[in-house]
Amino acid sequence: ETGVTQSPTHLIKTRGQQVTLRCSSQSGHNTVSWYQQALGQGPQFIFQYYREEENGRGNFPPRFSGLQFPNYSSELNVNALELDDSALYLCASSTESYEQYFGPGTRLTVT
Amino acid sequence: GNSVTQMEGPVTLSEEAFLTINCTYTATGYPSLFWYVQYPGEGLQLLLKATKADDKGSNKGFEATYRKETTSFHLEKGSVQVSDSAVYFCALTTSGGSYIPTFGRGTSLIVHP
Repeated sequence: ETGVTQSPTHLIKTRGQQVTLRCSSQSGHNTVSWYQQALGQGPQFIFQYYREEENGRGNFPPRFSGLQFPNYSSELNVNALELDDSALYLCASSTESYEQYFGPGTRLTVT
Repeated sequence: GNSVTQMEGPVTLSEEAFLTINCTYTATGYPSLFWYVQYPGEGLQLLLKATKADDKGSNKGFEATYRKETTSFHLEKGSVQVSDSAVYFCALTTSGGSYIPTFGRGTSLIVHP
């Protein structure tokens, strides 16, 4: 059984640019959630997708957007990057139950 | 709203010492409680969970008991190893929150040989 994978591992962008992060969910999981983890903090919920529809959103501006594809993989897009967007971005997949399985994360640095 | 408070770290111990990491919570409804562990450079892994009052979650020598009366879920281990060095996150979910976990800030554990 393949676990949750994310790409890329690390990324450096310039303020104002746009970025796309990718996540492949664990086999059999139809729900994907994205989290932002700033240095020294716990993960903060960005949004969740269930069967290709957004199923909940945290306190993040609209420049954070996402997609889920028919194979349940997902993308997180961030427009107009700001310095404070520098963080570890975590993807987690699950079924309708509440147990989430996390990927290793993408480390984004905005300069 | 829901919130989780963890003791601040880092917690520094010698190998074979006893570990306690405190966690308290506030929640609407009846939460499920979790401990996650994050090893350096990795994502979060579920360590243990408890879904109702007085339940004890356990895994890999770690234990935590769901205490509704004190709204706590403290993590304990009788004898830590160097390989336990990591950041530990307490979290909760509620059905009213669509099972999205609310995390604490994390507690760093450093175990010396």
